[in-house]
Amino acid sequence: GAVVSQHPSWVICKSGTSVKIECRSLDFQATTMFWYRQFPKQSLMLMATSNEGSKATYEQGVEKDKFLINHASLTLSTLTVTSAHPEDSSFYICSPRARVRSGPVDTQYFGPGTRLTVL
Amino acid sequence: GEDVEQSLFLSVREGDSSVINCTYTDSSSTYLYWYKQEPGAGLQLLTYIFSNMDMKQDQRLTVLLNKKDKHLSLRIADTQTGDSAIYFCAETSDYKLSFGAGTTVTVRA
Repeated sequence: GAVVSQHPSWVICKSGTSVKIECRSLDFQATTMFWYRQFPKQSLMLMATSNEGSKATYEQGVEKDKFLINHASLTLSTLTVTSAHPEDSSFYICSPRARVRSGPVDTQYFGPGTRLTVL
Repeated sequence: GEDVEQSLFLSVREGDSSVINCTYTDSSSTYLYWYKQEPGAGLQLLTYIFSNMDMKQDQRLTVLLNKKDKHLSLRIADTQTGDSAIYFCAETSDYKLSFGAGTTVTVRA
């Protein structure tokens, strides 16, 4: 399967600091990037969708000024959690989707996730 | 996740069959999916089924779809220790995936 990397895999930071998470699709080009958040024992919640070169579309209830998404290239997207607080502690997962015209979403891949802990 | 529901835990003996159930709400979903998440790894697509099918078999995996009841199930035959993981069912709505909360499958010897 396709390789997706996320960096860092885990991070601990102080309240008020900003944290940047990188997501790279290593062997394919991602025209669309999805960012998810997962709480323990809960489902993945879609935070935002971004297309390369365009502004991200945020889901209802997700603050765009707090979760900055940049999808500057077809192989790299970043999520920056600004002024992080303990309630932002979660598992963040990126999910790049390869260029497709039709068919099932079996070309949507998932990164290994980043565990963020805000003290 | 609230539109897709699945039980949270399943314990199964090695060699037995596992059945994971899921209900969804969006009747317009074209495809329904099963993903597997192992510790420290990203979600891996296991299989998917087109909404006009009622069954799909792929080696040890059998997917059953009851579109009338909006019920999806995944059967794993001859369950092995390597099958221990969290399994998510998902539906697509407007090309976005909506996931259930995940079923943690524990395989015991």
